[in-house]
Amino acid sequence: SQTIHQWPATLVQPVGSPLSLECTVEGTSNPNLYWYRQAAGRGLQLLFYSVGIGQISSEVPQNLSASRPQDRQFILSSKKLLLSDSGFYLCAWSTGSYEQYFGPGTRLTVT
Amino acid sequence: AQSVTQLDSQVPVFEEAPVELRCNYSSSVSVYLFWYVQYPNQGLQLLLKYLSGSTLVKGINGFEAEFNKSQTSFHLRKPSVHISDTAEYFCAVSDDNYGQNFVFGPGTRLSVLP
Repeated sequence: SQTIHQWPATLVQPVGSPLSLECTVEGTSNPNLYWYRQAAGRGLQLLFYSVGIGQISSEVPQNLSASRPQDRQFILSSKKLLLSDSGFYLCAWSTGSYEQYFGPGTRLTVT
Repeated sequence: AQSVTQLDSQVPVFEEAPVELRCNYSSSVSVYLFWYVQYPNQGLQLLLKYLSGSTLVKGINGFEAEFNKSQTSFHLRKPSVHISDTAEYFCAVSDDNYGQNFVFGPGTRLSVLP
């Protein structure tokens, strides 16, 4: 069966520090991968999606970037965090089965 | 472009009472519809989905939803809620079968009161 992992689960970082969040998927190949952000009390905002290795589409201009170095690995990065980057970050994947499947999320607090 | 409206941002309901969470979508093409649930500090879990066929779909945890094409709605219902149903519920619509082009609603916070 398919499994999606995200780490770390929680992270507290100072303003201006770098960021790296990782997402890996097991049990499927060539998935579409997605990064979403949830600000406190708000809905889901799609940040990036990828249909293959090295192929990244950005939905929202910001100081975040994403990379897909391997088929089932998706990384979210920033060179310098802002206070507004705080939130709950969710990774998701999909294939030919219509729906998206979500990971457990990473709670990021920028101080 | 597709859009999803969840008119109720918060729904308080007493335990064992029925509940309906409303979802309306805007799309000019055939759509696939989904309901997800999110418990605090967790990812989203698929409750149910409508792809085709019967307009009444049943999901996990006793939830069901009815697709109404003429009203472009996909309301979620449960006849008797439990405290453990307290969570955020998201409606989503997609127009492709590969899981792309997902559009989520803003969510409805269901609070079940004792």
